[in-house]
Amino acid sequence: NAGVTQTPKFQVLKTGQSMTLQCAQDMNHEYMSWYRQDPGMGLRLIHYSVGAGITDQGEVPNGYNVSRSTTEDFPLRLLSAAPSQTSVYFCASSYSSWGQNTEAFFGQGTRLTVV
Amino acid sequence: KQEVTQIPAALSVPEGENLVLNCSFTDSAIYNLQWFRQDPGKGLTSLLLIQSSQREQTSGRLNASLDKSSGRSTLYIAASQPGDSATYLCAGANAGGTSYGKLTFGQGTILTVHP
Repeated sequence: NAGVTQTPKFQVLKTGQSMTLQCAQDMNHEYMSWYRQDPGMGLRLIHYSVGAGITDQGEVPNGYNVSRSTTEDFPLRLLSAAPSQTSVYFCASSYSSWGQNTEAFFGQGTRLTVV
Repeated sequence: KQEVTQIPAALSVPEGENLVLNCSFTDSAIYNLQWFRQDPGKGLTSLLLIQSSQREQTSGRLNASLDKSSGRSTLYIAASQPGDSATYLCAGANAGGTSYGKLTFGQGTILTVHP
């Protein structure tokens, strides 16, 4: 029962470095998404995917890239890390049927600090 | 644009008390609403999912209701325990178009149950 798995759990980056946050789910969910959680801002959607090969931007996409080559994996890439990207990142997945999603499952999060 | 508000922001109650957490949303074209629990430094755990066609869902000591016409959902916790202490988040999902599959989160209610 792995559910949604995120790696790494913690990461410290220097400004300008790039990295990829990994997310994998084993529930055969079509819909996957990335959120960031910041104090006072709540959870905000970064990017989402409705299936392999299909991605789209959420509320705060700048500075992030995504791709979806398989149903299971949805990595989030930080192109050139900035201190403003210091946050906790959550990956989520859900089953989609006829354009409507069912219960969303979240990973345990990646706590990223950019110095 | 969907906006979700949770009241109160924080709640402290003695063990054994029944309590209600409130969630309001602005767009009644919501097709499901989900309640989550988040423990400090952890991910989100799904508690209850209410579809738009339902009025309430129950799981153990938890009961969630949904009133689309008034734009409100409540989470009722019966006989609270110290282990219920956590942040409770509600999130609404809207159907179709550019809103497809996106969850809009409230800011959360921080619940403390003291012995």
